[in-house]
Amino acid sequence: EAGVAQSPRYKIIEKRQSVAFWCNPISGHATLYWYQQILGQGPKLLIQFQNNGVVDDSQLPKDRFSAERLKGVDSTLKIQPAKLEDSAVYLCASSFGMGLATGELFFGEGSRLTVL
Amino acid sequence: QQQVKQSPQSLIVQKGGISIINCAYENTAFDYFPWYQQFPGKGPALLIAIRPDVSEKKEGRFTISFNKSAKQFSLHIMDSQPGDSATYFCAASETSNTGKLIFGQGTTLQVKP
Repeated sequence: EAGVAQSPRYKIIEKRQSVAFWCNPISGHATLYWYQQILGQGPKLLIQFQNNGVVDDSQLPKDRFSAERLKGVDSTLKIQPAKLEDSAVYLCASSFGMGLATGELFFGEGSRLTVL
Repeated sequence: QQQVKQSPQSLIVQKGGISIINCAYENTAFDYFPWYQQFPGKGPALLIAIRPDVSEKKEGRFTISFNKSAKQFSLHIMDSQPGDSATYFCAASETSNTGKLIFGQGTTLQVKP
């Protein structure tokens, strides 16, 4: 079974530039998550999708971050304009369901962003 | 109330020793407590998980101890091996809600040969 795929693995940009990350979850997984992991910290949830609807985006900095999950499969996370503090690894994860049906979260290898 | 506090930040153990990592939470609505293991350059992977209706769960060399009244849980790694060297994250979720995971800050474990 293929795991969660993410691209690009690494990205270096100047501050105020834009960047986009792509995620393809495990086939059949209805729930998709984007987490931000700053060096030395635990992952922090940015946004959670159930199929193509947003379940939780309470910690997404909406003035600069946006995410979509068209057709309820793959997803894109965009940052525009980037700030220095956005330097982090952006982890995509998926699970079979949500709430009681969440089960295990499967994570991709992440996209490492460096903002100069 | 949404925080999960983890300690220690780093841990060095000799091969064959016991590694112990502790976590504490505030939200009494949390009802699922997993531990994730992360190797450098990889995403976290589920190691073991527990629900509050049991006080202990063991899988191989890994054991979770859960103290509901103290709102604390811990991971014990018995007979620690160099291959266990990784970062460990505790987490908690409220499955009656969205089930989103709230992660602790992480513990970097180094097992010396």
